[in-house]
Amino acid sequence: EPEVTQTPSHQVTQMGQEVILRCVPISNHLYFYWYRQILGQKVEFLVSFYNNEISEKSEIFDDQFSVERPDGSNFTLKIRSTKLEDSAMYFCASSVRGNSAEKLFFGSGTQLSVL
Amino acid sequence: GESVGLHLPTLSVQEGDNSIINCAYSNSASDYFIWYKQESGKGPQFIIDIRSNMDKRQGQRVTVLLNKTVKHLSLQIAATQPGDSAVYFCAEMKNRDDKIIFGKGTRLHILP
Repeated sequence: EPEVTQTPSHQVTQMGQEVILRCVPISNHLYFYWYRQILGQKVEFLVSFYNNEISEKSEIFDDQFSVERPDGSNFTLKIRSTKLEDSAMYFCASSVRGNSAEKLFFGSGTQLSVL
Repeated sequence: GESVGLHLPTLSVQEGDNSIINCAYSNSASDYFIWYKQESGKGPQFIIDIRSNMDKRQGQRVTVLLNKTVKHLSLQIAATQPGDSAVYFCAEMKNRDDKIIFGKGTRLHILP
């Protein structure tokens, strides 16, 4: 069964450093998303991406965040200068069509720890 | 504001019994509700959904009930199995073209 792949599974970084979280969505999917989950809390929407541009972003997704689809397979989330409160599990998701809950597939996440 | 939450953070159920996980939502404009399952170390996985014009929908061993009068959503799992151990999230969408808003999650423990 096809799956969304995220790397690395764990990332530890110092406050103020840049991090790039990588995702390989399912190959025929067109819509891409990043969500995050702070430990013990709900899953929060960050950004959606379609046709090489951001479709929607949340208040969390400020100027420190950016997304990119540098080639035909990868979808990355960059945090320019990490803060302690950026520590969370970051999930990438993809779907064939937009905002289809049933057809939205999540990766296993990258656990980001900012020290 | 946006708010989808759950009544209980943890639920323990005997193996073989039925589980009922509850969720209260506050946005009466939401048209579409979803239940996700998140196993340890994995991302959320779709279980079942329901439109606001329905009050019940059944899947394989799962049933979702929607009570719009009191803005309450529940997930019933029949004959709970060890593999059902996970965190369950309810989620909502204003409509099928909107983003998914997740609630906080309920951890389901299966007792032997």
